[in-house]
Amino acid sequence: AQKITQTQPGMFVQEKEAVTLDCTYDTSDPSYGLFWYKQPSSGEMIFLIYQGSYDQQNATEGRYSLNFQKARKSANLVISASQLGDSAMYFCAMRGGSAGNMLTFGGGTRLMVKP
Amino acid sequence: EAGVAQSPRYKIIEKRQSVAFWCNPISGHATLYWYQQILGQGPKLLIQFQNNGVVDDSQLPKDRFSAERLKGVDSTLKIQPAKLEDSAVYLCASSSPLVDTQYFGPGTRLTVL
Repeated sequence: AQKITQTQPGMFVQEKEAVTLDCTYDTSDPSYGLFWYKQPSSGEMIFLIYQGSYDQQNATEGRYSLNFQKARKSANLVISASQLGDSAMYFCAMRGGSAGNMLTFGGGTRLMVKP
Repeated sequence: EAGVAQSPRYKIIEKRQSVAFWCNPISGHATLYWYQQILGQGPKLLIQFQNNGVVDDSQLPKDRFSAERLKGVDSTLKIQPAKLEDSAVYLCASSSPLVDTQYFGPGTRLTVL
């Protein structure tokens, strides 16, 4: 069975600073994908970034980067230069071979950016 | 490119009533998913369609939940009869074989009183 763990229920960050949101995963599948989604108060899940298990380099998308440490089974999201609009829930999710295309989500981290 | 559309955005019903949600995926996306997100938790998959066929419905409470995607495009999710614990946000997502990422709609927030 696959499992995603996000140990930080809530975090504060000062505007313009960088922040790291933690995510660890557990799977026995050699092929899997890791995703981060942002969910603002409006409720929509917004795709941020993807990392494949065989990707050699860490994924980056603008201010978002994924610190992928395969041996430690961690996929932390780094947001650089935080903005007030980054305040939201952030979910880590995994798609794995045994689970088909379905996503298994962590419990989420609420990020609050302080002006 | 239009995103995933869902309606209604909000619904309030009393327990034992019926309710239906509608989803229209991104054009060309063959795979459609329904997730249930209870307050304070991550989304949980209810059912996955590939075109008009069911791929995975192992976590769908089939005694009260049903879903269909008759023409392989839009989909409806129904709850009959609703229970208090069905209060949640119901999210629809779609993906294509070429791009593995699932894209989500705005969700339907259901409150069962």
